Amino acid sequence: DAGVIQSPRHEVTEMGQEVTLRCKPISGHNSLFWYRQTMMRGLELLIYFNNNVPIDDSGMPEDRFSAKMPNASFSTLKIQPSEPRDSAVYFCASTRGAGEQFFGPGTRLTVL
Amino acid sequence: AQSVTQLDSQVPVFEEAPVELRCNYSSSVSVYLFWYVQYPNQGLQLLLKYLSGSTLVKGINGFEAEFNKSQTSFHLRKPSVHISDTAEYFCAVSEGGTGFQKLVFGTGTRLLVSP
Repeated sequence: DAGVIQSPRHEVTEMGQEVTLRCKPISGHNSLFWYRQTMMRGLELLIYFNNNVPIDDSGMPEDRFSAKMPNASFSTLKIQPSEPRDSAVYFCASTRGAGEQFFGPGTRLTVL
Repeated sequence: AQSVTQLDSQVPVFEEAPVELRCNYSSSVSVYLFWYVQYPNQGLQLLLKYLSGSTLVKGINGFEAEFNKSQTSFHLRKPSVHISDTAEYFCAVSEGGTGFQKLVFGTGTRLLVSP
């Protein structure tokens, strides 16, 4: 299996632009998680889906952030408009039921 | 609500010395416990996990951890570290109340191994 796939790996954009991060979970996994990692705040859970349905979005920082999972093999995290404080590494992870989460390589976002 | 405390933000150690990275959690229900490792510019990789059964859990790369319910701890140990063990280590817990799906991570411990 290819593991969790994230794209792009690096994104540099200017403040005010829309940013879309993409994730393909491991085939057969039914839960998907979006995390954000920064030096200041560590690893934060933003939102997670179970069977394509958002279960807990309490970690989404504000209305500028939105996430979708239109099918079992694809999810997006969108930031509109982006701000410099959104600069971070964004990870996607997936799991089948309870237990171990498998992480993707991350997307390093820089907002200028 | 569950929480995870990793008291040491950084642990320096010499190569071939033993190391212990500490992790304490707070939860009133049954839990699953995990240790993940993150190498520079990479995602998180599972080192080991405790779901049930034996409280001593062995993982990859010679690491092991012991679940202590009375002390609500899950410390990670390795008897002899290598330079290649230099990385960030995260302890995580999931609760039965969330179907053991949602992970709460500690703030991480940076292990620095020097020759």
